[in-house]
Amino acid sequence: AQTVTQSQPEMSVQEAETVTLSCTYDTSESDYYLFWYKQPPSRQMILVIRQEAYKQQNATENRFSVNFQKAAKSFSLKISDSQLGDAAMYFCAYRYSGSARQLTFGSGTQLTVLP
Amino acid sequence: SQTIHQWPATLVQPVGSPLSLECTVEGTSNPNLYWYRQAAGRGLQLLFYSVGIGQISSEVPQNLSASRPQDRQFILSSKKLLLSDSGFYLCAWTKTFSTDTQYFGPGTRLTVL
Repeated sequence: AQTVTQSQPEMSVQEAETVTLSCTYDTSESDYYLFWYKQPPSRQMILVIRQEAYKQQNATENRFSVNFQKAAKSFSLKISDSQLGDAAMYFCAYRYSGSARQLTFGSGTQLTVLP
Repeated sequence: SQTIHQWPATLVQPVGSPLSLECTVEGTSNPNLYWYRQAAGRGLQLLFYSVGIGQISSEVPQNLSASRPQDRQFILSSKKLLLSDSGFYLCAWTKTFSTDTQYFGPGTRLTVL
C-alpha cells in the first residue's frame, strides 16, 4: 500500500523569506502523480502544484516549486517570497495513475507566516 | 468552467438522527466523484468513490453510505448518526478515469451531539 509521510507537523517562516516543506512517499509503482494541496482556515482544499512521475523536470507555479527526487521518493515544496496568505495547512498527496481510487494524503504541515 | 457545490455548509445533528449531505458538479459530464472525511487536525480519509451512476466503492466499513442517483450528484447518508461521525466532509471530482487532479468542494462541517 502507498503511504505518504510529512515529518514536519508545524513550520514557520518570516514574510518574504523562503520555506521548504518535506514529503516522502512509498510506492512500488513507476507511473503516478504527486500533489501539494493547501487548506486555509476556510478548510477548502486548494491545489497548489502537481508533478507527474515520468517528468524529470520539477514543476513550478509562480512562487511555488517542487524538488522531486524519484529514486529517493521525496517530494518537497518550496515557497519563495512567503506571504501572509500562504499561511495554511499543506498536504502532500499521491495518486497511482492506473486507478480511479483516491489520493493518499500525508498528515499535513501547518505553516505559519510571521509578519 | 467546472464548479463543485456542497450543502449544507454546516450541520449540527443529535446522535441517532439521519444524515444526508449532497454534492453536485457543474460544467462536466461523467466525473469520478469522491467523499472524504477529515477529523479535526488530521488528514483526509477516503470514504467512498464513484466512477458512474449507481457505481459506488466503499473504502472504510462504517455507519455511512453513498449514492449517485444522477451523473453529477453524489450523496452521503446515514440512518443513525454516531458521535464519531463528527468531522469535516469534503467532496471531490476528477474529469475522467485517467485525469490525475482532484478538485474539492467547500466542505460540510458536521457536529454530532
